[in-house]
Amino acid sequence: DTGVSQNPRHKITKRGQNVTFRCDPISEHNRLYWYRQTLGQGPEFLTYFQNEAQLEKSRLLSDRFSAERPKGSFSTLEIQRTEQGDSAMYLCASSLAEGGQTYEQYFGPGTRLTVT
Amino acid sequence: AQKITQTQPGMFVQEKEAVTLDCTYDTSDQSYGLFWYKQPSSGEMIFLIYQGSYDEQNATEGRYSLNFQKARKSANLVISASQLGDSAMYFCAMRERRGQGSYIPTFGRGTSLIVHP
Repeated sequence: DTGVSQNPRHKITKRGQNVTFRCDPISEHNRLYWYRQTLGQGPEFLTYFQNEAQLEKSRLLSDRFSAERPKGSFSTLEIQRTEQGDSAMYLCASSLAEGGQTYEQYFGPGTRLTVT
Repeated sequence: AQKITQTQPGMFVQEKEAVTLDCTYDTSDQSYGLFWYKQPSSGEMIFLIYQGSYDEQNATEGRYSLNFQKARKSANLVISASQLGDSAMYFCAMRERRGQGSYIPTFGRGTSLIVHP
C-alpha cells in the first residue's frame, strides 16, 4: 500500500489526557499537512511541513497542540490535556512540491478522536 | 467572509443521470487552484479534479468535469452517468499562495450526494 496511512484510526480518551497520532505520507512526497474535521464541516488546516521544517501553523493550533516531522518522513501530532472540544477527525495529507509547482494533496483515512 | 461557498447541503440524483454540485469562491489573487474531493462514509478524502486559475480549458477526469467560470468565480463539479458508489460528501477547495511559497487550501462545508437506483 503506497497511500497515506494514519494510526490509530480511532482513539477514545478521557479529558485531560495526552494523545499522539502518527501519519506516514507517500514516500516521495515532501509536504505533509494536518487538518481537523468536525461533523458537518470541511477539513480545517492546522499545520504543514516541507521536509522536516514546519512552515505554517493555523491559529486553530493552540499551545496544547504540537506537531513534528523529525526526519522529513512520518509526522506526529500530539494534543496535551485534551478537552471535549478536541473531539474531531484528524486528517493527514501529503503532496509533492517541486520546481515551484505544488501538486494535489492525498489524504489518509484519518484518526477519529473522542474525548469523554 | 467565507472563501468557499457550497450552497447545496444535500443533493439527490437518479442512477445514470448527470448532477452538478455548485461551488463559488472568493479571492483577490490572480493565481489560485480549485479542487474537488470526495469523502465517502469511510472518511477518506479522495482527490477528484483540479483546475488552475490560468487554465483556459475546463478540467475533466473521466466522469468528472469542472465547469470553471472565472468571471463569476464559480467552479461547479459535474458528474456524468451517476453511479451508486458516487454517494458521498463532496468538498470544493481553493488553494491560494501564502508566504514562503506555501499553498494552503480552504475547504467548503460540503454537499452530500445521494444516488438513487
